[in-house]
Amino acid sequence: AAGVIQSPRHLIKEKRETATLKCYPIPRHDTVYWYQQGPGQDPQFLISFYEKMQSDKGSIPDRFSAQQFSDYHSELNMSSLELGDSALYFCASSLAASNTEAFFGQGTRLTVV
Amino acid sequence: AQSVTQPDIHITVSEGASLELRCNYSYGATPYLFWYVQSPGQGLQLLLKYFSGDTLVQGIKGFEAEFKRSQSSFNLRKPSVHWSDAAEYFCAVDPTGKLIFGQGTTLQVKP
Repeated sequence: AAGVIQSPRHLIKEKRETATLKCYPIPRHDTVYWYQQGPGQDPQFLISFYEKMQSDKGSIPDRFSAQQFSDYHSELNMSSLELGDSALYFCASSLAASNTEAFFGQGTRLTVV
Repeated sequence: AQSVTQPDIHITVSEGASLELRCNYSYGATPYLFWYVQSPGQGLQLLLKYFSGDTLVQGIKGFEAEFKRSQSSFNLRKPSVHWSDAAEYFCAVDPTGKLIFGQGTTLQVKP
C-alpha cells in the first residue's frame, strides 16, 4: 500500500539559508500534519491542513510557512535557518471523514551548519 | 492543557522477559490514544490505537495496551520481548485532531 512520501530524506543547509520540505500524502487523504522532532525529543506539532486550508497551528516559528496544494501534497518552507532548526521533520496524513489515525512518513532530517 | 506523561525515560529488560511501558494522560474527556515505535533515525510506526469500545487493544508485533479511564492510563505491554523490540516508544493522545506525544521511553533489550 502507498505510504506518506517525504522528500528529501536528508538535507544540509547553512545558517540563514532557506529550505523546502515536501510531503506527498497517502492517496485520497485530505489532511496533512507537520511535526518537528529535535534530537532526543518527542515530536512537536507544527501545523496542519485540511482540504488545502490551514486547520490548526502549533509551535511553528514565524520563519516557517506551509501550504497544501490542489493535489493535496504539502510543502514546509523554512527561511533564515538557525542551528536550532536541525531536527527530523515528519509529515503525516489522514482521511478526516474516516476518523482514523494519521500515517507518518519516514521524515526529513534537516541539518543546519 | 492536554498532556502525556511517560514516567520511564529508559527501561532495560532481558530478552524473553515481559514488558510494560507506562503512559498517563491529562484530558477532560477520553481522547484517542496511540502507541508508536521509532527505531533510530526512522519514522514513527503505529503499534496500536484506542478509540472506543474494548479497553484492551491488540496491536502489531505482539503488543497490547489497556485503557484505564479511572487511572487516565494507557500502558503498553508485551509478554516476551525480542531483541528487535529495542527502540524508542511514544505514547500519544489526539484530543482535537492533532497528536500530543509523551517524552518517549527508550527500551534496551539485554541478550
